[in-house]
Amino acid sequence: AQRVTQPEKLLSVFKGAPVELKCNYSYSGSPELFWYVQYSRQRLQLLLRHISRESIKGFTADLNKGETSFHLKKPFAQEEDSAMYYCASRSTLGRLYFGRGTQLTVWP
Amino acid sequence: EAGVAQSPRYKIIEKRQSVAFWCNPISGHATLYWYQQILGQGPKLLIQFQNNGVVDDSQLPKDRFSAERLKGVDSTLKIQPAKLEDSAVYLCASSLHEGEKLFFGSGTQLSVL
Repeated sequence: AQRVTQPEKLLSVFKGAPVELKCNYSYSGSPELFWYVQYSRQRLQLLLRHISRESIKGFTADLNKGETSFHLKKPFAQEEDSAMYYCASRSTLGRLYFGRGTQLTVWP
Repeated sequence: EAGVAQSPRYKIIEKRQSVAFWCNPISGHATLYWYQQILGQGPKLLIQFQNNGVVDDSQLPKDRFSAERLKGVDSTLKIQPAKLEDSAVYLCASSLHEGEKLFFGSGTQLSVL
């Protein structure tokens, strides 16, 4: 079965420090992977998707098929990055599987 | 553009009662999803509609949950009868077409006592 694992439930860093939110997936085919974010009192929204290979709000994520990982990284965290982050993968049937999420707190 | 609208925002019921949630997707979005998010977990897909047809309802507990999207626009999700373990946030999302970016509503937080 397809599965997305986010090993860290909580992650805290200081402003300006690098941050990496971990995501591992289990899928035998070619997965389509995403990061979704939910800021306090806002809706869940798409942050980025691996096929776009883009940087959004300073965040990047690289698909590593050898390690089956799709970690989200930012070199210098900002206070406004504090949010809940969900890694998700899409199956060939189109269903999105979400990880349990990582709550990121960036301290001033 | 107007986002995905859901109502109510909160609902408290006793077990064995019935409850219904409503969702109005973004205008023109063909695909509509209902997700269940239990505290501490990620969203789990319950059902996916393409226009007014069901694409995927494999994870919907059909003995108590039902959903419809009669005219291919608004959708309702019903639970009858509710159990304690149904306490969760129910999220509606829509996308222009299947496989495209999902836009989520604010969700309905259900507490079953």
